[in-house]
Amino acid sequence: KQEVTQIPAALSVPEGENLVLNCSFTDSAIYNLQWFRQDPGKGLTSLLLIQSSQREQTSGRLNASLDKSSGRSTLYIAASQPGDSATYLCAVSASGTYKYIFGTGTRLKVLA
Amino acid sequence: GAVVSQHPSWVICKSGTSVKIECRSLDFQATTMFWYRQFPKQSLMLMATSNEGSKATYEQGVEKDKFLINHASLTLSTLTVTSAHPEDSSFYICSAPQRYEQYFGPGTRLTVT
Repeated sequence: KQEVTQIPAALSVPEGENLVLNCSFTDSAIYNLQWFRQDPGKGLTSLLLIQSSQREQTSGRLNASLDKSSGRSTLYIAASQPGDSATYLCAVSASGTYKYIFGTGTRLKVLA
Repeated sequence: GAVVSQHPSWVICKSGTSVKIECRSLDFQATTMFWYRQFPKQSLMLMATSNEGSKATYEQGVEKDKFLINHASLTLSTLTVTSAHPEDSSFYICSAPQRYEQYFGPGTRLTVT
């Protein structure tokens, strides 16, 4: 059974810092890995999608990498801003299915 | 990108009543949709897979008689919470795949009093 863990569970940083969020999964036979942010009481905002054949994706200040063999993904946020404060979730889907298993989440707070 | 909508965005119902939540793919067709549930301060848990024209498949531990799913068309799936109880209060989110990506609805917050 696939299990997805995110470390740290919570993170508080001053504005301007570069930071790394970690996501690990137990079964390396994945199809996709996707990073989302979720603001309090809101739905999901997709940040980056990495297909199994890809190693990384970039969008603006965000960079996500994927190492399937070790069951890990990292989300790198450059020059963090208070507006980045949210919960960040990673999710993986198994090969041949679109079912997503979500990680435990990292609550990020960027202090002004 | 593709858009998935949900209705209502929030609903309050009394214990023992049923409530229906709709999930629509607005600009694409989806033969499969997924329903997730999120309790406060927790992550999303997959509840079931909605299949157009056939029965839904439920994840282990999810009561299929309590959470009725109907995928009546290629753009609409509904989740009905029957005989709702306060412990069913949660945030329900649906998703639909297009090509290789999942698109998520904005969620429905259910409060059972």
